[in-house]
Amino acid sequence: EVVMTQSPATLSVSPGESATLSCRASQSVNINVAWYQQKPGQAPRLLIYRASTRATGISARFSGSGSGTDFTLTISSLQSEDFAVYYCQQSNNWPWTFGQGTKVEIK
Amino acid sequence: EVQLVESGGGLVQPGGSLRLSCAASGFTFSDYSMNWVRQAPGKGLDLVAHISTGSDSMFYADSVKGRFTISRDNAKNSLYLQMNSLTTDDTAIYYCARSFGYQEYWGQGALVTVSS
Repeated sequence: EVVMTQSPATLSVSPGESATLSCRASQSVNINVAWYQQKPGQAPRLLIYRASTRATGISARFSGSGSGTDFTLTISSLQSEDFAVYYCQQSNNWPWTFGQGTKVEIK
Repeated sequence: EVQLVESGGGLVQPGGSLRLSCAASGFTFSDYSMNWVRQAPGKGLDLVAHISTGSDSMFYADSVKGRFTISRDNAKNSLYLQMNSLTTDDTAIYYCARSFGYQEYWGQGALVTVSS
């Protein structure tokens, strides 16, 4: 099973600043990585798929990069609605697996 | 508008069974693979089961293999998860999701609580 490791576990950021979230796969997953945002009491929402393609309706403040084993989600100019938990997920090998999440909190 | 609505959650005793349903609308259901993803209280996300468009391929997480069965009825635009031999570790919110590998759309989730 491919293990997805996210860092840091918690990221404290001031509104208006940018945030960089990392996700590392235990083996190559090519570009088959997606990122999701989850707010308390809500279902996750797809942000990025195939490592760098923004999902429909997602702000350009969200960008993804990476291939192979190392992936990054960057959120520029954080807004109040961006404070949430973010998960990466690989779909290169079954079972498709998620990272443990990074919580982005207000500093 | 894509909509996925789960139902069938509830409280069940250890060893019991439960069947979840997911009603899909706003898209051609038969054109898309579907998944069940669960989230234990305060925990992360786990992909439980996957089914292809024509039900010719199903995959399961090791933790549920042999106990859970995913199925779909394309004529009824519905996805199902039959859960047997439930344990307390199966307590979670269960989401159905439309899938291209990544989970494009999610339902609001159904809470399954396994407790005596």
